Amino acid sequence: DQQVKQNSPSLSVQEGRISILNCDYTNSMFDYFLWYKKYPAEGPTFLISISSIKDKNEDGRFTVFLNKSAKHLSLHIVPSQPGDSAVYFCAAKDPYSGGGADGLTFGKGTHLIIQP
Amino acid sequence: EPEVTQTPSHQVTQMGQEVILRCVPISNHLYFYWYRQILGQKVEFLVSFYNNEISEKSEIFDDQFSVERPDGSNFTLKIRSTKLEDSAMYFCASSDTSSNQPQHFGDGTRLSIL
Repeated sequence: DQQVKQNSPSLSVQEGRISILNCDYTNSMFDYFLWYKKYPAEGPTFLISISSIKDKNEDGRFTVFLNKSAKHLSLHIVPSQPGDSAVYFCAAKDPYSGGGADGLTFGKGTHLIIQP
Repeated sequence: EPEVTQTPSHQVTQMGQEVILRCVPISNHLYFYWYRQILGQKVEFLVSFYNNEISEKSEIFDDQFSVERPDGSNFTLKIRSTKLEDSAMYFCASSDTSSNQPQHFGDGTRLSIL
């Protein structure tokens, strides 16, 4: 049951160019979406999020776009830097899934490799 | 910057033994979570905790699992009788509200069941 899908296991981008990571979801009840970055032997680090009432959120080099009709979101990183090499996870929250403290549903992740 | 801390970083346990994984959430946060990631698979939600009780739990969180906030700072996950398939990274997370605020994760405990 893959409610959050990241179909690209890996992505290679040249330093300085734009990195675009994609995520699709199936649960129309999701109301909040997040991107996390993960280095080996560390926990996921929060990057940026977007509420379902918005279609874009920007924070420095990172922009998240949400297309609700297509059930698709993407993370843009501009310009890409060597330190951006990591696994990126898309995650989503369903506010009606439980008693209030809602667990996140994660995608499988995309390994982003920034090449010099 | 405040962070979630987890101990130990690696726990090796014999099958059938009990194990307790410990977490110190960010101090002003009120919502606490446990997730696990089996090698090569995605991060999976186990349980959330608020106001000293379980708020939500997944199908994975069966009777062998329990959580507790024994004092004002620690949040623990107990696995009563470990199985080989419990081998995974276990991540603790916390947030200051439940609605549309990010959950912040610790660096995890690698649990190896022999």
